[in-house]
Amino acid sequence: EPEVTQTPSHQVTQMGQEVILRCVPISNHLYFYWYRQILGQKVEFLVSFYNNEISEKSEIFDDQFSVERPDGSNFTLKIRSTKLEDSAMYFCASRRSRQASPYEQYFGPGTRLTVT
Amino acid sequence: SQQGEEDPQALSIQEGENATMNCSYKTSINNLQWYRQNSGRGLVHLILIRSNEREKHSGRLRVTLDTSKKSSSLLITASRAADTASYFCATSLTQGGSEKLVFGKGTKLTVNP
Repeated sequence: EPEVTQTPSHQVTQMGQEVILRCVPISNHLYFYWYRQILGQKVEFLVSFYNNEISEKSEIFDDQFSVERPDGSNFTLKIRSTKLEDSAMYFCASRRSRQASPYEQYFGPGTRLTVT
Repeated sequence: SQQGEEDPQALSIQEGENATMNCSYKTSINNLQWYRQNSGRGLVHLILIRSNEREKHSGRLRVTLDTSKKSSSLLITASRAADTASYFCATSLTQGGSEKLVFGKGTKLTVNP
């Protein structure tokens, strides 16, 4: 069964460093998302991406964040200068299309980012 | 803004019992989805119910949706120890086609063997 994959599973970085989190969505999906979950808190939407551009972003997704789909398979989240409060689990998700069922978003296993 | 809120926050039951979790939200939705998360792991999609549906079944799961009360419930029948996890509802509202999900805080279910 196709699934969303994410690498790395755990990333430790120092404050101020740049990190890139990688995701490979399900191959025939068209909508891509990043969410994050700070430890013990609820999952929060960061950004959605469709047709090679951001379709919606949250207040969390400031200028330090960017997303890219460089090669038609990978979907990346870059944090330019990490802060301690960026420590969280980051989930990538994908969905097939808006018009056709299924409407479910399928999530990857997550990347745990620890900023020290 | 729309928001899913589950209750109870925590639920502890014995294996074989049924577990019911509730979710309330604030605004009109396209669909409502339930996800499971084992401790420190990823989100597993369980079931989706569309706004024009009232009840849906999938194996031991039964989901209901009452759009007039803006609430949903997830029933797990004949629970097993392996059902121990956190359960989240997530609502979806089309905004420019994004259909981002808004998650509740979750119900932590413990099934004791």
